[in-house]
Amino acid sequence: NAGVTQTPKFQVLKTGQSMTLQCAQDMNHEYMSWYRQDPGMGLRLIHYSVGAGITDQGEVPNGYNVSRSTTEDFPLRLLSAAPSQTSVYFCASRRHTGTLGTEAFFGQGTRLTVV
Amino acid sequence: GEDVEQSLFLSVREGDSSVINCTYTDSSSTYLYWYKQEPGAGLQLLTYIFSNMDMKQDQRLTVLLNKKDKHLSLRIADTQTGDSAIYFCAGNFGNEKLTFGTGTRLTIIP
Repeated sequence: NAGVTQTPKFQVLKTGQSMTLQCAQDMNHEYMSWYRQDPGMGLRLIHYSVGAGITDQGEVPNGYNVSRSTTEDFPLRLLSAAPSQTSVYFCASRRHTGTLGTEAFFGQGTRLTVV
Repeated sequence: GEDVEQSLFLSVREGDSSVINCTYTDSSSTYLYWYKQEPGAGLQLLTYIFSNMDMKQDQRLTVLLNKKDKHLSLRIADTQTGDSAIYFCAGNFGNEKLTFGTGTRLTIIP
């Protein structure tokens, strides 16, 4: 019963490098999302997807790309890392119910430092 | 857009009740949630309340919702050291996306 699995747990990047944060869920959830968590700012939505082949921008999408080729996986790509992207990143998934709410399950987070 | 606000810090003596408050600007949320984040971990759903309810109790947790004032609170009775964490309120304000507050860091004083 894995739930939402994020890798890696920690990463240090140099400015300008690119990388992909992986997220996988085994609950057959349609809705997946990526958040970043910064001190005093709560969680801010980066990108989200309501199903395979569909993605959309959240509150802070610049500098990030996503794709959703399968229901299970929702990778987040940093195209050219900047120090402002130093943060803790969380992936979450939930059943897609339109405007009705359902519990979101979160991964353990990826702590990214860009130097 | 939606705005969800919380105080950043709360300190409570062990055994006392903790009350964590949250205010929001958009009244269209179907559900409102409380999440708990322990150090180095992801967010875990603690409890939620449907928008047509005023109160929900679940063991030591009591959620109060004042729709008129757009105010949500989480009361933790008999606070224990294991309750030390950051608590986030969140809502889905008329859409699929969850909007989170800034989080309240609860510190327990022995």
